[in-house]
Amino acid sequence: DSGVTQTPKHLITATGQRVTLRCSPRSGDLSVYWYQQSLDQGLQFLIQYYNGEERAKGNILERFSAQQFPDLHSELNLSSLELGDSALYFCASSVESGGGELFFGEGSRLTVL
Amino acid sequence: SQQGEEDPQALSIQEGENATMNCSYKTSINNLQWYRQNSGRGLVHLILIRSNEREKHSGRLRVTLDTSKKSSSLLITASRAADTASYFCATDDNYGQNFVFGPGTRLSVLP
Repeated sequence: DSGVTQTPKHLITATGQRVTLRCSPRSGDLSVYWYQQSLDQGLQFLIQYYNGEERAKGNILERFSAQQFPDLHSELNLSSLELGDSALYFCASSVESGGGELFFGEGSRLTVL
Repeated sequence: SQQGEEDPQALSIQEGENATMNCSYKTSINNLQWYRQNSGRGLVHLILIRSNEREKHSGRLRVTLDTSKKSSSLLITASRAADTASYFCATDDNYGQNFVFGPGTRLSVLP
């Protein structure tokens, strides 16, 4: 158990809809990272937050947004969903703002029909 | 775009043999890390090597880093069936950010 909690574990929704994925980092970790893993794109870095502030941005679509709250949990919002958004979405946390070991949650599997 | 590229994409060996996976990257890095993923599960950190280190060991794992060639290798000695998983290298930039993973090597260890 990594100590990182992601909900929901599975989510099935329709095209055009909006979903919110939630992540609780390990106790004491200030950094949260979001990744998307699909068969054809591999593990794609989306965005990183550190202590409530956006720290780095990767290949995150404009339809996607994220935030980190004062209690350090984070949410990834996916809107106007398309079939191609079907993937595993991982959250990871670390103590440092960068350069340290990442602890991954078990992921949220999103299926868009 | 991906920074690291693992090689080979897939590797199949017998239990007891050694497995070697390689990772190449494109730009300067702060650290390089190796992770393991069992099918459909979260990634698990294996080892971190800093840009000023050349070799690191952890149990049956040995990692090397050649910054002049922008490459790293992961060696798993005396492999076991339980080592069957995908292995990813990850690099961060000089600011310790933008953790980027390669496409991974799928290792199958046959009993």
